[in-house]
Amino acid sequence: KAGVTQTPRYLIKTRGQQVTLSCSPISGHRSVSWYQQTPGQGLQFLFEYFSETQRNKGNFPGRFSGRQFSNSRSEMNVSTLELGDSALYLCASSEGQSGQPQHFGDGTRLSIL
Amino acid sequence: GQQVMQIPQYQHVQEGEDFTTYCNSSTTLSNIQWYKQRPGGHPVFLIQLVKSGEVKKQKRLTFQFGEAKKNSSLHITATQTTDVGTYFCAGVRGTGGFKTIFGAGTRLFVKA
Repeated sequence: KAGVTQTPRYLIKTRGQQVTLSCSPISGHRSVSWYQQTPGQGLQFLFEYFSETQRNKGNFPGRFSGRQFSNSRSEMNVSTLELGDSALYLCASSEGQSGQPQHFGDGTRLSIL
Repeated sequence: GQQVMQIPQYQHVQEGEDFTTYCNSSTTLSNIQWYKQRPGGHPVFLIQLVKSGEVKKQKRLTFQFGEAKKNSSLHITATQTTDVGTYFCAGVRGTGGFKTIFGAGTRLFVKA
């Protein structure tokens, strides 16, 4: 069974631009969560989607948004990029109910110049 | 809000020494999960503890869940260089809808 796939792996943007990251969960997994990871900051929860609905949301500004499609694939969008948005963005999928073990993708490393 | 505190932040050990990382939650948890992230990699699920006082072992790794389901520990016996990485606990709160909160992680350095 294929793992969680995130694209692209690396991305370089400039301040003010917007970016869309993609995540394909493990086949059969219906829940997708997104995390931001920066050195020394651990895993900061962004949001969780289940059946195309946002189920949980972290404490990030409205510039961060996401969505989930009927095939469980998910995208997250960051608008008006800031230097501080440089981070590794990780997507994780789980079978269904919140709180189940999560399976992470390799992440998208976003660098803002 | 609810937090999961994890200590220590860093730990340097000599190969063969033991290592322990601790997690504490401000509220009772439904369950707790442990993950390992190798340098340059992504977090990988290790184990889930559900029952009060539960103890589980995976080779040299021993995981414990406290009686009050508010704290947990991961102990590695006789560390090896392959143990290097960051170990995260993730507490799952069950009331008001399940929600997973990750600890800040403990980064383990092992010197050969």
